[in-house]
Amino acid sequence: QQQVKQSPQSLIVQKGGISIINCAYENTAFDYFPWYQQFPGKGPALLIAIRPDVSEKKEGRFTISFNKSAKQFSLHIMDSQPGDSATYFCAASLALYNFNKFYFGSGTKLNVKP
Amino acid sequence: DGGITQSPKYLFRKEGQNVTLSCEQNLNHDAMYWYRQDPGQGLRLIYYSQIVNDFQKGDIAEGYSVSREKKESFPLTVTSAQKNPTAFYLCASSTQAGPYEQYFGPGTRLTVT
Repeated sequence: QQQVKQSPQSLIVQKGGISIINCAYENTAFDYFPWYQQFPGKGPALLIAIRPDVSEKKEGRFTISFNKSAKQFSLHIMDSQPGDSATYFCAASLALYNFNKFYFGSGTKLNVKP
Repeated sequence: DGGITQSPKYLFRKEGQNVTLSCEQNLNHDAMYWYRQDPGQGLRLIYYSQIVNDFQKGDIAEGYSVSREKKESFPLTVTSAQKNPTAFYLCASSTQAGPYEQYFGPGTRLTVT
């Protein structure tokens, strides 16, 4: 059973537009929700993260919106640029005996057209 | 520079051979992880280790083995028992205390023919 469900699988956005990627989870014990950006042939890089006691977090053009009651969170990329074209993964972390296990969504391939 | 290094970047092996992927970190993180990435499937956890000389199976450990003799190193061996070993392998590490940020290495692409 997939713990974190991500949509859409792919996304095409015009330069300057807003990119929105959504994730949903089931386990209410998750306590940390990061987003990763991955370029082809590279490892994922931590982009932005949020804890469930906060409804929104913004860092530059990237914003996480978190809806605890709906068990959903989303990544918004404002003023999307061609350099943002990459695969984005959401994740959720679960604390297990002083260790954190991460569950990942299946990824969204973003293409920002010039 | 602090970070995670993986070597080699590309690895080619014949079916039936064991192969070991290297992972080294200088972030002073206690926890280390190995993930497998296949197209359209996200990241799947193979093994993880909380401290030296201790490691646990993840969700897809069959056909893989690991060791953790040093805090900085967490090598992964892909054995001949792994039925579909061709994939992109990612090593990661994280802090044990908050904010639990997990950092990834650049990955090793393994091709078995």
